[in-house]
Amino acid sequence: EAQVTQNPRYLITVTGKKLTVTCSQNMNHEYMSWYRQDPGLGLRQIYYSMNVEVTDKGDVPEGYKVSRKEKRNFPLILESPSPNQTSLYFCASSFAQGLGTEAFFGQGTRLTVV
Amino acid sequence: QQQVKQSPQSLIVQKGGISIINCAYENTAFDYFPWYQQFPGKGPALLIAIRPDVSEKKEGRFTISFNKSAKQFSLHIMDSQPGDSATYFCAGTFSGSARQLTFGSGTQLTVLP
Repeated sequence: EAQVTQNPRYLITVTGKKLTVTCSQNMNHEYMSWYRQDPGLGLRQIYYSMNVEVTDKGDVPEGYKVSRKEKRNFPLILESPSPNQTSLYFCASSFAQGLGTEAFFGQGTRLTVV
Repeated sequence: QQQVKQSPQSLIVQKGGISIINCAYENTAFDYFPWYQQFPGKGPALLIAIRPDVSEKKEGRFTISFNKSAKQFSLHIMDSQPGDSATYFCAGTFSGSARQLTFGSGTQLTVLP
């Protein structure tokens, strides 16, 4: 089954404790992205990757890191989480950009930073 | 900078009614406008999409109307059903955009039985 898998689904952590949210896709997609979803703000892009070892900042990259060492994986790293990073996070993947390119989303990771 | 503005934030419709969600965009380079549907506890999924060279696209009960001169587009859900209750996001993107989708703020639709 074609899918984007995120782990964990739920995470509660304390301020300053480094964490990693994993994302894996089995569709051989070139593009992968991370979004955060907050009430009234919709989905805002954090980082994106066009292929292995190629990443760039989205709209809200502060406080986050990513890496793309393999095509299928795109982990999101919070080196020193803060309460304002409490949010619902989604990973997405798609084929190379172009008209009609559908983005496939994971089921989300709800992060709470206390 | 929010390049896609969506309204209303929430919408309550009776079963069988018409649900209308509106979006306006700023970036005239956008050439693809998808709508994503998100059920509670799930990630967004592509519902329907339109390109600016057409004024309307219909798929079943879902229709996108597009007004290029006004830089506006809308989603119409005919004969709304309780199963349509979800959050809907409009988005814009353009060919060659490595950043892909720019989303609106979302509309939470509730269809009452």
